[in-house]
Amino acid sequence: EVQLVESGGDLVQPGGSLRLSCAASGFTFSTYWMSWVRQAPGKGLEWVANIKQDGSEKYHVESVKGRFTISRDNAKNSLYLQMNSLRAEDTAVYYCAREDSGSNYPPYYYYMDVWGKGTTVTVSS
Amino acid sequence: DIQMTQSPSSLSASVGDRVTITCRASQTISSFLNWYQQKPGKAPKLLIYAASSLQSGVPSRFSGSGSGTDFTLTISSLQPEDFATYYCQQSYSTLPYNFGQGTKLEIK
Repeated sequence: EVQLVESGGDLVQPGGSLRLSCAASGFTFSTYWMSWVRQAPGKGLEWVANIKQDGSEKYHVESVKGRFTISRDNAKNSLYLQMNSLRAEDTAVYYCAREDSGSNYPPYYYYMDVWGKGTTVTVSS
Repeated sequence: DIQMTQSPSSLSASVGDRVTITCRASQTISSFLNWYQQKPGKAPKLLIYAASSLQSGVPSRFSGSGSGTDFTLTISSLQPEDFATYYCQQSYSTLPYNFGQGTKLEIK
């Protein structure tokens, strides 16, 4: 079964750090781009970051640049999000998601076809 | 950044109704548009990718259309399990892959 399982969410004080993990199973993890998407309480979805198959390219949304870092360990089939200098506005459910394109040649219509159940990060004093 | 705007923000409909949700991009995104369904407390689920391609396992009552800046998601005959929030998302070459603000579909 294709599956993503997030962990690491917790209650943390403003300015603190947290590392989220996402364990992948049931597919060849090293062949997919991977993303983190978050959802603040009662709000919509916000794409946070993504990373290329070999980790050579990483992109982060402007609001987390310099504070969050996406990474992966293909040997462990795992995706990570290191979160530093946390703020109240980072409070959210964080989902990891697999990116696929459904095609082996351009154009690559990327979409997120597999999602984890999410892990909750609460930033509060 | 490419901004995505959905309309309406909420919608009341009855079982059996035909429903259309609209998504507009702030600049052309060709057909790089995806639709997701999310139920309370659950992860999003991919419905449509590349504007009109139905994801495997998704019922055929769901369909997508459009290209450029204007897109629609149509549910041909609402079923009880379709009441949820729907999001569009652009996956054009320019990051971030912004989502629309969501459309909450409620039972009338």
